[in-house]
Amino acid sequence: KAGVTQTPRYLIKTRGQQVTLSCSPISGHRSVSWYQQTPGQGLQFLFEYFSETQRNKGNFPGRFSGRQFSNSRSEMNVSTLELGDSALYLCASSLEGRGRWGGDNEQFFGPGTRLTVL
Amino acid sequence: AQTVTQSQPEMSVQEAETVTLSCTYDTSESDYYLFWYKQPPSRQMILVIRQEAYKQQNATENRFSVNFQKAAKSFSLKISDSQLGDAAMYFCAYWGLRGNTGKLIFGQGTTLQVKP
Repeated sequence: KAGVTQTPRYLIKTRGQQVTLSCSPISGHRSVSWYQQTPGQGLQFLFEYFSETQRNKGNFPGRFSGRQFSNSRSEMNVSTLELGDSALYLCASSLEGRGRWGGDNEQFFGPGTRLTVL
Repeated sequence: AQTVTQSQPEMSVQEAETVTLSCTYDTSESDYYLFWYKQPPSRQMILVIRQEAYKQQNATENRFSVNFQKAAKSFSLKISDSQLGDAAMYFCAYWGLRGNTGKLIFGQGTTLQVKP
């Protein structure tokens, strides 16, 4: 079974631009979560999508948005890029995204997209 | 709000020796999972081990085991017979089962160096 894939792997943008990152989950997984990883703030949750609906959201400004398609693929968009948005953006997929005893509660991570904002 | 703390930014171990990585967490919830994830340099994050909060027995996966102290809210990872391939950043993570869909809360990570 193919793992989680993310495209592109690397991006360089300038301040003020916008960017779209893509994530393809493992086949059969309906939940996709996005995280931002930086040396200073560590791994922070951005949002989670399930069946094309945003179910959960972290504490990020409205410049960060996302969506999910009917095939569970997800995109996240960052508008009006700032220098502080430079980070590794990880997506993770799981069957349901909702933990329950005895269920499949593992999140599988993609390789990430390294975004550099100049 | 739930928090996860890893107080050891860096650790080192000699090959074939044993090392323990520490993690504490804070939550008012009773139903949750705890995880240890491994992130090798420039490689994908993978799950090392998971612990269900209702289980008193500590989880083990081959050379990896945890010491789960629910009352103390402590969740340490022990790596036995360390190998060069164990060198990575290790993250402790929390997942609450009540309503917090898709959200893992991570500690700051511990970089493990394995010396030959």
